[in-house]
Amino acid sequence: DVKVTQSSRYLVKRTGEKVFLECVQDMDHENMFWYRQDPGLGLRLIYFSYDVKMKEKGDIPEGYSVSREKKERFSLILESASTNQTSMYLCASSFDIRVNTEAFFGQGTRLTVV
Amino acid sequence: QQQVKQSPQSLIVQKGGISIINCAYENTAFDYFPWYQQFPGKGPALLIAIRPDVSEKKEGRFTISFNKSAKQFSLHIMDSQPGDSATYFCAATLKNYGGSQGNLIFGKGTKLSVKP
Repeated sequence: DVKVTQSSRYLVKRTGEKVFLECVQDMDHENMFWYRQDPGLGLRLIYFSYDVKMKEKGDIPEGYSVSREKKERFSLILESASTNQTSMYLCASSFDIRVNTEAFFGQGTRLTVV
Repeated sequence: QQQVKQSPQSLIVQKGGISIINCAYENTAFDYFPWYQQFPGKGPALLIAIRPDVSEKKEGRFTISFNKSAKQFSLHIMDSQPGDSATYFCAATLKNYGGSQGNLIFGKGTKLSVKP
């Protein structure tokens, strides 16, 4: 079974803290994604990467950065957490879209910034 | 032009009824239309998908209907069950492109509740 593992299910952080969300996939997928899920807004793409050390901005990159030093690991970084970043964060991975279009999601990290 | 519009935002259906969720898109180049199902506390998972060269695809109680001329597609859940209660996302993408052009464009989701 394909597995996308997010390091934490729940996190509570203080405003201004630097926050790291980690994601690991075990299927040698080329592509990895970070989404944010909020009620009524659906899944919004923050950043994605289709190769090691490659990254591209998604629809809402402000306040976030990412790191992909190894193929299996994609980290989302909140440089200075703010209360409006309280949300569910979902990591996903997929093969090259031309080969297989299915995206596999982790279970999500519910982040609360207080 | 990159949006996928999904409706309704929420849906309540009695057990045994038919659940229908609709999506519309603008980009005529989209060529792959998947539906994802998300249970509470879980990440979304691929449920069923369709290419525009067919008008309908059925897998068990789940059917996608596709209307290329209207740029619309819909998910029908026949004989809906309480276990189908979840959030459903439609999506669209350009299958033959790599990189960012191949990213999935998601609708905003429909929260389905099936009452016993």
